[in-house]
Parts: sequence; C-alpha cells; structure tokens
Amino acid sequence: QQQVKQSPQSLIVQKGGISIINCAYENTAFDYFPWYQQFPGKGPALLIAIRPDVSEKKEGRFTISFNKSAKQFSLHIMDSQPGDSATYFCAASKGNTPLVFGKGTRLSVIA
Amino acid sequence: DVKVTQSSRYLVKRTGEKVFLECVQDMDHENMFWYRQDPGLGLRLIYFSYDVKMKEKGDIPEGYSVSREKKERFSLILESASTNQTSMYLCASSLFSREAFFGQGTRLTVV
Repeated sequence: QQQVKQSPQSLIVQKGGISIINCAYENTAFDYFPWYQQFPGKGPALLIAIRPDVSEKKEGRFTISFNKSAKQFSLHIMDSQPGDSATYFCAASKGNTPLVFGKGTRLSVIA
Repeated sequence: DVKVTQSSRYLVKRTGEKVFLECVQDMDHENMFWYRQDPGLGLRLIYFSYDVKMKEKGDIPEGYSVSREKKERFSLILESASTNQTSMYLCASSLFSREAFFGQGTRLTVV
C-alpha cells in the first residue's frame, strides 16, 4: 500500500517557467508534509515543509500548497532555473513516526 | 553544520558476504534511520531506532539487521549479501521525526 503517491515521475520545464509536482496521501493522521531535494551524488535535503493547519507556505521561489479535504499537497517552483534540476521527494509523517516518501520526480530545467 | 556521515561512498561486495554499513551523526539526535533508494521506487525504510539499543523494523527489513550501541552511531548489516540488495543506502537522523538529515549515501554493488 503506497501511502504517498507522487506525480509526475519526470518533468521538463523551460527556464523561467513554473514547475509543479503533486502528491496525494491516504492517512488522515499525517501532520507533517516536507519536500526534499536531491542532487546527483548527494543525500536528500529538506527544501520546505508544511503542517495541515495552513493552506500555503512560501519560501523564496518555492511554495507548498496544501488541500486537506482532498488529501493533496503540491510543490510549485516559480521562475525555475537550471540549478533547480534535481530529484524532488514529497513525504509525510504523523507524530514521531518515520517519514513516508513518494517515489520522486526528476526535474530538468532547460535553457 | 549538522552532519550525517556514512563510512563509504561506494562498496563492492560478493554474494554471501556479511556487509556492514556505518553511519555517524553529530547532532545528538535520538532518531536514526536506514533507507534504501532505487530508481522508480523512491526511498523505502529498512530499519529505524529511537534510542540506543532500540530498533524497529521498517517496510523492507528482510535480509537486514541493525545495531545501535551508541547514540551517534547506527549500523546496517546485510547478513548474507545478495544481488537484489544492490542499491543506494541512505542513513538519516532527526529530532522527534521532523526534519531528517541525510548522509551522502553508500552505493552498494553485490556481485
């Protein structure tokens, strides 16, 4: 049973465009929703995270939108840059339990 | 800077060998995790630990064991390596299962 479903698997975006990655979850007890960014040869690193009491969180060019009723959350990257090319993982957890990850999205930003 | 250090970046082992993957964190975190990363499958949890000498099975513990004798060190053991354990192994640590900090990963090849 896949608890966090992520789409698309891969994404190609023009430089300056908006990248959008979506995740859906099943467990309504989840209370923490982070996004991780992973560059080749590196471990994932926390990019931005949200809790279900807010519908949106923005940090620079990165925004999480959260829809509690639909059990969905998404990552928006505004003004995408080639340096944003990486693999992105959504995740979720409840309380002090380990993060459950989506399968990842490989983003390529082309000039 | 927080740091999670995995002892090896690359390892090549023979089928049937006992393999030890070591992970050390310097953040005094209670929680430590071992994930396995495979293309198209995302990050899958193997084992985790909330305290010294504690261990909990994750989603795919078969063929693995762990050891946590000291708070800062969490070892993953492949009792008898098999070719289907060829993968990227990621260690992480966290405080109260929130932001997880990852090591750079160990790419293990079993031949």
